[in-house]
Amino acid sequence: DAGVIQSPRHEVTEMGQEVTLRCKPISGHNSLFWYRQTMMRGLELLIYFNNNVPIDDSGMPEDRFSAKMPNASFSTLKIQPSEPRDSAVYFCASSPLAGVTDTQYFGPGTRLTVL
Amino acid sequence: SQQGEEDPQALSIQEGENATMNCSYKTSINNLQWYRQNSGRGLVHLILIRSNEREKHSGRLRVTLDTSKKSSSLLITASRAADTASYFCATDENTGNQFYFGTGTSLTVIP
Repeated sequence: DAGVIQSPRHEVTEMGQEVTLRCKPISGHNSLFWYRQTMMRGLELLIYFNNNVPIDDSGMPEDRFSAKMPNASFSTLKIQPSEPRDSAVYFCASSPLAGVTDTQYFGPGTRLTVL
Repeated sequence: SQQGEEDPQALSIQEGENATMNCSYKTSINNLQWYRQNSGRGLVHLILIRSNEREKHSGRLRVTLDTSKKSSSLLITASRAADTASYFCATDENTGNQFYFGTGTSLTVIP
């Protein structure tokens, strides 16, 4: 298996632009997680899905952030409009089981820079 | 929040020495995990210990869990330069399946 795939690996954009981050979880996994990592705040859980259904989005910082999982093999995290403080590394992770805590498998991350 | 706290924040040792990192958390858990992150990479799962377990081994890794003190430790024996990375503990709550990651310990192993 190729593991969790994220694209793009790097994104540089200007303030106000829309940014879309993509994630393909490991096939057969039933949970998907979006994290943000910064030096100041560490690793923060933004949202997670069980069986494609959003379970907890309390970590989503603002209405500018939205996440979707239209099917079991694809998820997007969108920021519209982007701001410089959104600059961070965004990780997607998937887990085999839904509803119980289990090992999470992380993607390589997307490094976002908002100018 | 449930977020764990690792201690120390940074640790520098010589190759061959043992490295010990600690994690404290606040509420009851089902299990606790340790992850490693190499610079510029995603996190890699190392070991999971359940709340009814006290100690677990995996190769050169030894994890202990003390639920009465709400703490865990990760011991890396006979460290190698390749062990240089940040190490995070992650704890869950008794409901849901999300994890809360700590602030991490940055380990440097000097060859």
